[in-house]
Amino acid sequence: AQSVAQPEDQVNVAEGNPLTVKCTYSVSGNPYLFWYVQYPNRGLQFLLKYITGDNLVKGSYGFEAEFNKSQTSFHLKKPSALVSDSALYFCAVRKAGNKLTFGGGTRVLVKP
Amino acid sequence: DVKVTQSSRYLVKRTGEKVFLECVQDMDHENMFWYRQDPGLGLRLIYFSYDVKMKEKGDIPEGYSVSREKKERFSLILESASTNQTSMYLCASSFAGASTDTQYFGPGTRLTVL
Repeated sequence: AQSVAQPEDQVNVAEGNPLTVKCTYSVSGNPYLFWYVQYPNRGLQFLLKYITGDNLVKGSYGFEAEFNKSQTSFHLKKPSALVSDSALYFCAVRKAGNKLTFGGGTRVLVKP
Repeated sequence: DVKVTQSSRYLVKRTGEKVFLECVQDMDHENMFWYRQDPGLGLRLIYFSYDVKMKEKGDIPEGYSVSREKKERFSLILESASTNQTSMYLCASSFAGASTDTQYFGPGTRLTVL
């Protein structure tokens, strides 16, 4: 069965520093992986996805994610964090029938 | 832009009441989904619909039912609300073509059952 783990409940980073949000997955077959962000009192917004091809995927708002098959990881990264990046981030993996399995979420706090 | 709307942002109901949560999407998507979001548990799929009048149970369907009479509208029904159904409920939609299609989410309904 597909599963996703986000090992950190919260990540704190200073504005301007690199931001990394970790995600590991377990799937049978080829993984289809997604990152979503949820700003306060808002629904989830799509950031990026990995389907196939280049292991480095670029997405919205300057975010990127690196797919690592040997480590079964799909970490989200941003070279220079902004205060406005403070939000709840979810990693997800596609399973059969167009359904998603989500990780528990990681809260990011970017301090000025 | 895809727009997914949900009928209420906040809802307070009493134990035993019948509760309807409505979701409407304007992009002619075939697939629609209902999730609940709880701290530390992420999003869990309640029900999924891939066509009008078609539905499939998700991971946590107990205590819920759904209705899809029109393509753009997907309703979640709590037949007899209980306090453990207090949660944030999120609706999503996507095209049915490829399994890689992105899901688009509504703003959520925060339901409190007293």
